[in-house]
Amino acid sequence: DAGITQSPRHKVTETGTPVTLRCHQTENHRYMYWYRQDPGHGLRLIHYSYGVKDTDKGEVSDGYSVSRSKTEDFLLTLESATSSQTSVYFCAISESRRSTLLADNEQFFGPGTRLTVL
Amino acid sequence: AQSVTQPDIHITVSEGASLELRCNYSYGATPYLFWYVQSPGQGLQLLLKYFSGDTLVQGIKGFEAEFKRSQSSFNLRKPSVHWSDAAEYFCAVGGQTGANNLFFGTGTRLTVIP
Repeated sequence: DAGITQSPRHKVTETGTPVTLRCHQTENHRYMYWYRQDPGHGLRLIHYSYGVKDTDKGEVSDGYSVSRSKTEDFLLTLESATSSQTSVYFCAISESRRSTLLADNEQFFGPGTRLTVL
Repeated sequence: AQSVTQPDIHITVSEGASLELRCNYSYGATPYLFWYVQSPGQGLQLLLKYFSGDTLVQGIKGFEAEFKRSQSSFNLRKPSVHWSDAAEYFCAVGGQTGANNLFFGTGTRLTVIP
C-alpha cells in the first residue's frame, strides 16, 4: 500500500470554526489531491498540488484552502466550517512519468477523514 | 466537459453469477480510464486502468474491463462473483494533461447474495 496517512480520521466540529485536515505521504510523489465524497456525487476534486507551494483549484474549491510547504504534507483548511462541508475527505497522490512532468495518472488514496459539522 | 455516468446505483447478484458494471464517459481528448473499488469505511483501491493499446484490460481480483471508443464506455466485468466483492465501485476518467485530475462517477453499490 502507498504510504499515505490522513489526520484526524474523524472530527466533529461546530459551524464557524476553522478546521485543518492533514495528508502525509512517504512516497515522495509530486502530485497530491484533496477530494470530498458525498452520497450521490461520488468523489469531487477540491484542490490539488503539483509541487511544493504549487496548488490549484478543483471542481468544488469554494470554502477551502490548501497549503503545501513540504513534499510530504498537503493541508486542507476550512476557514469557517459549514454544515454543507460535512463529508468524507480523501487525499490522493500521484507520480510523474519519468520522461515528463505529467502525473502518472494512477492515483493512490488515503484512508479518508470523516468530518461532521454541527 | 468531462463527466462519467454510472447508470446503476445499486446491483444485486448471486454469488457465482457473472457481473457487469456500466460506465460511460465524456472526455474531449484521449481518455485514461480507471475502475476503483471501495469497501465500507475504507479508501479507494485501484482495480484496473486503461491508457492505450489493447482495449481489454485485466485487473486485480479477477476483474476485467473493455474500452469501447465508439460507445464511450468502459464496462467492468467479472465472470464469477465472490461474496467478498460486495463493495462500491467507481469509474473515473482522466487525461494526459497536467496533473491528470480525475472525474469520478457516482458509484455502483454491489450486493452479493449467497
